[in-house]
Amino acid sequence: ELKVEQNPLFLSMQEGKNYTIYCNYSTTSDRLYWYRQDPGKSLESLFVLLSNGAVKQEGRLMASLDTKARLSTLHITAAVHDLSATYFCAVGNSGNTPLVFGKGTRLSVIA
Amino acid sequence: GAVVSQHPSWVICKSGTSVKIECRSLDFQATTMFWYRQFPKQSLMLMATSNEGSKATYEQGVEKDKFLINHASLTLSTLTVTSAHPEDSSFYICSAAGTTSTDTQYFGPGTRLTVL
Repeated sequence: ELKVEQNPLFLSMQEGKNYTIYCNYSTTSDRLYWYRQDPGKSLESLFVLLSNGAVKQEGRLMASLDTKARLSTLHITAAVHDLSATYFCAVGNSGNTPLVFGKGTRLSVIA
Repeated sequence: GAVVSQHPSWVICKSGTSVKIECRSLDFQATTMFWYRQFPKQSLMLMATSNEGSKATYEQGVEKDKFLINHASLTLSTLTVTSAHPEDSSFYICSAAGTTSTDTQYFGPGTRLTVL
């Protein structure tokens, strides 16, 4: 059974600081996703990582994937308040198989 | 990108009534749709996998007679919560995958169900 673990589950960051969220998964999978969720909203897709060593960046967020270690990281650079949200990683195989989600990391960026 | 819609976006109903939630893929055909449930401050949990033209596959612990899923066309899946109770109050999110295995999943905006 595929399990996905995220840590930390809660993260309070000061503006301007850097931090990393970790996502471990238990069995080999084809793709790893990072999503953002704002309160009361659905998921916003951030990144899809498909291969070992994949690195993607968008603004202050950068995601990477190490399939050998079954680990993905979401790095936040110089945090700003607008990044406050819950971030989920999810793992799946082909597009028409369901995703298994981590528990989410609730990020709060404070001044 | 591909768009998935859900209707209604929120619904309040009395205990014992049934509620139908629609999930539509607006600009692509979805062979497979997934229904997830998210309780407050928790993650998404898969309820069932819906394949067009066949019976849905339910996850362990999800009552198929309570959560009726119909996927009658390549662009529409419906979830009916029958005889709803307050503990069914949740955020229901669907996702849709295209017809090829390389396609990604696209999530709908979610439906917030409150059962009084």
